[in-house]
Amino acid sequence: DTGVSQDPRHKITKRGQNVTFRCDPISEHNRLYWYRQTLGQGPEFLTYFQNEAQLEKSRLLSDRFSAERPKGSFSTLEIQRTEQGDSAMYLCASSQWEVLSGREKLFFGSGTQLSVL
Amino acid sequence: DQQVKQNSPSLSVQEGRISILNCDYTNSMFDYFLWYKKYPAEGPTFLISISSIKDKNEDGRFTVFLNKSAKHLSLHIVPSQPGDSAVYFCAAEALTSYGKLTFGQGTILTVHP
Repeated sequence: DTGVSQDPRHKITKRGQNVTFRCDPISEHNRLYWYRQTLGQGPEFLTYFQNEAQLEKSRLLSDRFSAERPKGSFSTLEIQRTEQGDSAMYLCASSQWEVLSGREKLFFGSGTQLSVL
Repeated sequence: DQQVKQNSPSLSVQEGRISILNCDYTNSMFDYFLWYKKYPAEGPTFLISISSIKDKNEDGRFTVFLNKSAKHLSLHIVPSQPGDSAVYFCAAEALTSYGKLTFGQGTILTVHP
């Protein structure tokens, strides 16, 4: 399968614990994005990488959140001292440049559903 | 503030009829618009897009219409099929946003056989 892969699919944790999610993008894609989706809302942009460089971070990404993409391949998103408000679906996407539209075309993974108790 | 809005949380349509999903936006910097479809337990998948230089784009059963003056777009599905039942998200992008999309809240489409 050559799609975007996310692990784990589900994570249940207690408030105050740290959690880490992993995303493996489509291999030839050099851009990788993290989005968050809460119940009843659409995905919200968190951050993105061009190869290993993190180029933009949303104000939604508090200092408890950190994302890395060592060597420009897979990425991890860590949340420290989780809070109940962190409960959401965390979506990863990678993209390829589409010549016809002149835009990045995003391919999303199935997400990691985080529940903070 | 919600820059992209889908005001209908749900839509129910009979198989074979037309489904029309609506979306409004407020940010004048948006110049590219997309529709994504999402099944339960899966990530969103790209459906169709339109640039602000066009007012219509068609791909098979799916057509997106853009009314820039009203800051409104719509997705038409004709004919609707039960397999189209999913959550549909409208998304918008500004030039040089590099894949940073702003999504609406989604509309749950149910197509009844």
